[in-house]
Amino acid sequence: EVQLLESGGGLVQPGGSLRLSCAASGFTFSTYGMSWVRQAPGKGLEWVSASAKNGNGYYADCVKGRFTVSRDNSKSTLYLQMNSLRADDTAVYFCAKEEWWGGSPAFDYWGQGSLVTVSS
Amino acid sequence: SYELTQPPSVSVSPGQTASITCSGDKLVNKYASWYQQKPGQSPVLVIYQGIKRPSGIPERFSGSNSGSTATLTITETQAMDEADYYCQAWDSSSAWIFGGGTELTVL
Repeated sequence: EVQLLESGGGLVQPGGSLRLSCAASGFTFSTYGMSWVRQAPGKGLEWVSASAKNGNGYYADCVKGRFTVSRDNSKSTLYLQMNSLRADDTAVYFCAKEEWWGGSPAFDYWGQGSLVTVSS
Repeated sequence: SYELTQPPSVSVSPGQTASITCSGDKLVNKYASWYQQKPGQSPVLVIYQGIKRPSGIPERFSGSNSGSTATLTITETQAMDEADYYCQAWDSSSAWIFGGGTELTVL
């Protein structure tokens, strides 16, 4: 059974940093791309960052230069280092497993989410 | 604003058919995926590659595509189908793209 378990969320002041983790199990982590998707309170889903299976990172423009995605395949864990946090980064952050069916990929499994609140 | 446009809300009577559209240039020659999200829960994939259902998703959920519009159809809608629904596509320039979401009300 595929499981994704996020941790590391919490309350942080504007300008501060936080690191999220996503522990994966139930599949061969090293052979899949993984993403972070966030949802601000009462808002829709927004893709944040992706880690390709080769370790390359990709970012939405709104977090580029502030967030860094990484992975440790030996621990089956995905990370998101978030720096220079702003109030509009406040959201539930989901970890999601990518499944690529040709040119139309999707997220076939999601974690339960980790709440990040940026406030003074 | 979102690159994929969905109606903010759709209402349907129990047992009737609900249709939720998703439109945008990014859907041309691409397939949409659809997610269901109930309050306080994580999203669940209900349609991928435009028309396919993952294991465990009821047959009353179906998807279709036409040009720049994808449609999620729920036949014989039940109260348990009340949720937010999001379409999603992927593009080499924009990466992962979501629609703004549609709140489905069953009443």
